[in-house]
Amino acid sequence: AQSVTQPDIHITVSEGASLELRCNYSYGATPYLFWYVQSPGQGLQLLLKYFSGDTLVQGIKGFEAEFKRSQSSFNLRKPSVHWSDAAEYFCAVVTNAGNMLTFGGGTRLMVKP
Amino acid sequence: EAGVAQSPRYKIIEKRQSVAFWCNPISGHATLYWYQQILGQGPKLLIQFQNNGVVDDSQLPKDRFSAERLKGVDSTLKIQPAKLEDSAVYLCASSSAGQGGFTQYFGPGTRLTVL
Repeated sequence: AQSVTQPDIHITVSEGASLELRCNYSYGATPYLFWYVQSPGQGLQLLLKYFSGDTLVQGIKGFEAEFKRSQSSFNLRKPSVHWSDAAEYFCAVVTNAGNMLTFGGGTRLMVKP
Repeated sequence: EAGVAQSPRYKIIEKRQSVAFWCNPISGHATLYWYQQILGQGPKLLIQFQNNGVVDDSQLPKDRFSAERLKGVDSTLKIQPAKLEDSAVYLCASSSAGQGGFTQYFGPGTRLTVL
């Protein structure tokens, strides 16, 4: 069965600093990969996705993610964090069999002024 | 384009009571999903519909949870009777057909508190 691991439960960064959120997946083939963001009391907003092609994908709000097959990773990055980026971030994978989305446990990002 | 709509946004009930949640997907999206998100965890799929048929309900506690999508558009998720451990956010999502259908769009969720 596929699984997703987000090793960092909480991360705190200073405003303006760079950010990297880690995501590792377990699946036999190349899955479809997603990052979602959830602000308090809100639903999930899609940041970016990877299906195939260029392994570096750009998303909304200045985020990017890089798919590394050899490491089974899909880490999310942002060069300069803004206070409004404070939220919970979820990595998710779907296989093309059934379209079932499996989420990681999430990483809560806090931004210091 | 309107997003996924859900109501109510919040609901507080006592254990053993019944509750129902409503979801209206993005127009034209054939696939609809219900997720349960317990505090501090990622969402977990409860049930997936393709049009008005069930694709996957393996994670749905069928002794107390039921869901329907009678006309292939909006959907209702019901819990009867509720337990304390059902306190969670219930998220509805939808996706279109084709390869782009792997992208799911989420509604704002319904936060359920069972006392």
